[in-house]
Amino acid sequence: GQNIDQPTEMTATEGAIVQINCTYQTSGFNGLFWYQQHAGEAPTFLSYNVLDGLEEKGRFSSFLSRSKGYSYLLLKELQMKDSASYLCAVLRGDSNYQLIWGAGTKLIIKP
Amino acid sequence: DTGVSQDPRHKITKRGQNVTFRCDPISEHNRLYWYRQTLGQGPEFLTYFQNEAQLEKSRLLSDRFSAERPKGSFSTLEIQRTEQGDSAMYLCASSSDRYEQYFGPGTRLTVT
Repeated sequence: GQNIDQPTEMTATEGAIVQINCTYQTSGFNGLFWYQQHAGEAPTFLSYNVLDGLEEKGRFSSFLSRSKGYSYLLLKELQMKDSASYLCAVLRGDSNYQLIWGAGTKLIIKP
Repeated sequence: DTGVSQDPRHKITKRGQNVTFRCDPISEHNRLYWYRQTLGQGPEFLTYFQNEAQLEKSRLLSDRFSAERPKGSFSTLEIQRTEQGDSAMYLCASSSDRYEQYFGPGTRLTVT
């Protein structure tokens, strides 16, 4: 079967660092995406990893280990506007377009 | 280009009525996707178009759902004989040959 697991909710403090984990079991693998979704809004693209390692983009970094079926999104210097849900999605190995989505991690930032 | 747009943003309808939603993708994107999302869940794949061809339709999609993309540009999603379980956010996304999908603001459907 296809399964993507993320924690349901996390809380962090403004200015701190938080790591959101994602584990996956899918039929093949063509890459992993992270999206940010504010309440009531559409998801917005954050990152795409297809090779093992860390991709850094400003305050956000994403890591992938294909052998472990594991990824994380690292958010540094947290700001109140980072309060949102963070969705992990895997591109199926037998598809070049169909994403399998996790349920998302709701991140709450406290002052 | 202003991104993916969807219309309407909100729709309230009575059970049994038909509804139609429109999506205008980013102009140079040849791929278009429809998703459904309920509270606390990730998007659920409904269907996919490459240009005007509908290449895949989710098995979760009943015969009451139909989508078109007649000229390979905008797309419509129709739900016939709506049920309360159809209440959700309907999201449209588009992409080029790169894998990143860009989402529209969504249409929130409430079936009473």
